[in-house]
Amino acid sequence: DGGITQSPKYLFRKEGQNVTLSCEQNLNHDAMYWYRQDPGQGLRLIYYSQIVNDFQKGDIAEGYSVSREKKESFPLTVTSAQKNPTAFYLCASSIHEKETQYFGPGTRLLVL
Amino acid sequence: QQQVKQSPQSLIVQKGGISIINCAYENTAFDYFPWYQQFPGKGPALLIAIRPDVSEKKEGRFTISFNKSAKQFSLHIMDSQPGDSATYFCAASKSARQLTFGSGTQLTVLP
Repeated sequence: DGGITQSPKYLFRKEGQNVTLSCEQNLNHDAMYWYRQDPGQGLRLIYYSQIVNDFQKGDIAEGYSVSREKKESFPLTVTSAQKNPTAFYLCASSIHEKETQYFGPGTRLLVL
Repeated sequence: QQQVKQSPQSLIVQKGGISIINCAYENTAFDYFPWYQQFPGKGPALLIAIRPDVSEKKEGRFTISFNKSAKQFSLHIMDSQPGDSATYFCAASKSARQLTFGSGTQLTVLP
């Protein structure tokens, strides 16, 4: 069954803690993206990657980090520097950067 | 930062009615305009998309109307059904890269 998987569905972060959100795709897509969604707002781009071992900052990269060591995986780390991390995080992928983006089911991050 | 302005923020329609959501953009370099549908707790799913070489695209009950001179595009949902109740996002980009999203419209279709 092909698609994009994100885990966990819910994630709790304590003050000063780094947490990592997983995104995996088996669609053989080259490009992958991370978005943040806040209530009543549209999606905002955090980071994107066009190929393995390469990634670029989006509009709101501060307080986040990513890696792209494998084509199918694009994990997002929410660092302690992100002071307002509570949000719904969405991962997306596309065949390459010029094609339609398909989204995963999302991870909801909450702060304890 | 390039913006895409979406309205209304929320919309209530009777079953069988027409739902209309509007978006306006600023960047004339945008050449790809998708609409996404999102149900609560789920990721957005591509509904329909248009490029500026056509003024209208229809897929089933969903139609995009595009006005290049006004820099506006809209989604029309004909014969709206309760199952259409969701949040709809418009977006725009240049060559489908780095999508810029509108703020979303929460649609409620009453039975």
